[in-house]
Amino acid sequence: SQQGEEDPQALSIQEGENATMNCSYKTSINNLQWYRQNSGRGLVHLILIRSNEREKHSGRLRVTLDTSKKSSSLLITASRAADTASYFCATVGGNTPLVFGKGTRLSVIA
Amino acid sequence: EAGVTQFPSHSVIEKGQTVTLRCDPISGHDNLYWYRRVMGKEIKFLLHFVKESKQDESGMPNNRFLAERTGGTYSTLKVQPAELEDSGVYFCASSQDLTAYEQYFGPGTRLTVT
Repeated sequence: SQQGEEDPQALSIQEGENATMNCSYKTSINNLQWYRQNSGRGLVHLILIRSNEREKHSGRLRVTLDTSKKSSSLLITASRAADTASYFCATVGGNTPLVFGKGTRLSVIA
Repeated sequence: EAGVTQFPSHSVIEKGQTVTLRCDPISGHDNLYWYRRVMGKEIKFLLHFVKESKQDESGMPNNRFLAERTGGTYSTLKVQPAELEDSGVYFCASSQDLTAYEQYFGPGTRLTVT
């Protein structure tokens, strides 16, 4: 299984602080993606990083990928209350479907 | 452009009853996926359609689940008869082609079996 495992399971920070979430997986991948789910809403695609990339930025998001350690991290800088959500990593290998982890629940306190 | 839509948003049924979930993908997306998240667990793949054909149904838990995609447009997922462990959120996603990798998700249907 190339199941993603997010760490920590829950994270609570103050507005303005940075939030870092980690993801580990088990097998080789083509790419790794991060999704966000706000309460009662669907999954929103945040960022995709390919297996030959090491770092990617999108706005306040920074994603790193270490294929030797089979791990990825998602950094949200200058967090806002609106960033409160569950964050999932998902891996893709070959033509396999997305394989998700259990998610990290982020709470940003104003 | 309209996103992926799902209906209903929430369904509460009794054990043994039948429920049908519907997903309308983004227009023009040949690939349609169903996933579900059981309480406290990870989101798991159920199956993948390419147009009207089932490309991969390896994630379907058992024969109480039946998915269809007539005409390659919208898809339905029927659970018959429903069991307590079927409770969870069922997500649908679509993508334009496999190489795009990025899937667009609907809001999900929360199914509660009592």
